[in-house]
Amino acid sequence: SAVISQKPSRDICQRGTSLTIQCQVDSQVTMMFWYRQQPGQSLTLIATANQGSEATYESGFVIDKFPISRPNLTFSTLTVSNMSPEDSSIYLCSEYGRGNTEAFFGQGTRLTVV
Amino acid sequence: AQSVTQLDSHVSVSEGTPVLLRCNYSSSYSPSLFWYVQHPNKGLQLLLKYTSAATLVKGINGFEAEFKKSETSFHLTKPSAHMSDAAEYFCVVRGVGDYKLSFGAGTTVTVRA
Repeated sequence: SAVISQKPSRDICQRGTSLTIQCQVDSQVTMMFWYRQQPGQSLTLIATANQGSEATYESGFVIDKFPISRPNLTFSTLTVSNMSPEDSSIYLCSEYGRGNTEAFFGQGTRLTVV
Repeated sequence: AQSVTQLDSHVSVSEGTPVLLRCNYSSSYSPSLFWYVQHPNKGLQLLLKYTSAATLVKGINGFEAEFKKSETSFHLTKPSAHMSDAAEYFCVVRGVGDYKLSFGAGTTVTVRA
């Protein structure tokens, strides 16, 4: 199984500030994904991060709010910008492209905006 | 587009009794289907996967699921629940071409002693 490391594991942030979440995979992968899990809810895909091109965002998510970087095949970052309490969620990264059909997830970043 | 519907938001069982979590899928193609479990304040763990091989799939911790194309279902079962099975369970389908995962709403399992 893949090892996916996310940092930070949790954070409490002031509204109006930004937080950058890092995701490191232990092997090269074609695609990386960022999901949001709001309290008591299921996971919703934010965007797909591909190396060498801009991220592809799902409906309801925009680059200005959730800028994503993918500088190489093992690393990606998600920034939550100009945060409000509604951004309080768990953010998870995932991957695809190592030859397995299943996806593995990072442990998640639990964000609280106050 | 692919999607899944989990038919029960909450399932409560007694320890030692069977568990059934229901999931229906919608897909234009032969889908890749998964069940994940999320224990409180923990990450997501893969229970099992279906990828067009055997229709009865065995997973970890005694769980299994049966893919039924005629019913577009992928229900998860366990013959005897354990207290440690109390968690949130997600049925998930992977998209064809874009490889995105679409999650069901989740089923919360509680196990009574």
